[in-house]
Amino acid sequence: QVQLVQSGAEVKKPGASMKVSCKASGYTFSDHHVHWVRQAPGQGLEWMGRINPKSGGTNYAQKFQGRVTMTSDTSISTAYMELSRLTSDDTAVYYCARDRGVNWLDPWGPGSLVTVSS
Amino acid sequence: NFMLTQPHSVSESPEKTVIISCTRSRGSVASNYVQWYQQRPGSAPTTVIYEDDQRPSGVPDRFSGSIDSSSNSATLTISGLKTEDEADYFCQSYDGTNGVFGGGTKLTVL
Repeated sequence: QVQLVQSGAEVKKPGASMKVSCKASGYTFSDHHVHWVRQAPGQGLEWMGRINPKSGGTNYAQKFQGRVTMTSDTSISTAYMELSRLTSDDTAVYYCARDRGVNWLDPWGPGSLVTVSS
Repeated sequence: NFMLTQPHSVSESPEKTVIISCTRSRGSVASNYVQWYQQRPGSAPTTVIYEDDQRPSGVPDRFSGSIDSSSNSATLTISGLKTEDEADYFCQSYDGTNGVFGGGTKLTVL
């Protein structure tokens, strides 16, 4: 079955960078975009961007432009999301999700909690 | 860009029907498919409706979706409410290549 496995929880200092991984299985990784969505504690879902693993092409939400980098390694079916210059506002659960077409995100990974604290 | 607006919370009794709206601020709601996700506490979202009105396998037919061009809204209808339906529900669409989420609706089944 299709499965996305994400890296574990992290604690980061303000100003540092974070990098979350998302390993896919059960489907042809290069055939589907991977989206990244975050959720701050007690808040809603926020779309961050997506990557086309086949081409490496990316689309980022304007809010994160210049601070986010999404990459992928098709040889190990893994997508990555790196966010730099972290502040406490970046404390959130970060999800990856496969795009099943027409921006339908399914399934989602279990999420990776990143806490930014001094 | 457009926004998707949902009611912050709704509540209803078991076995009743609840409707959750998702109103698009600009452009036609019919222009881009709408998905609905259910999120229980501590879990990742899962799909209950995709492409406006399609139900994934495994989702009960108590869940249905539609769009209404007159109100420029998508709606999620849950009939025969069960206590297990208590969760947060998010609508989602897209603007070109960018994803857009509604703010989420907390459904309480009491």
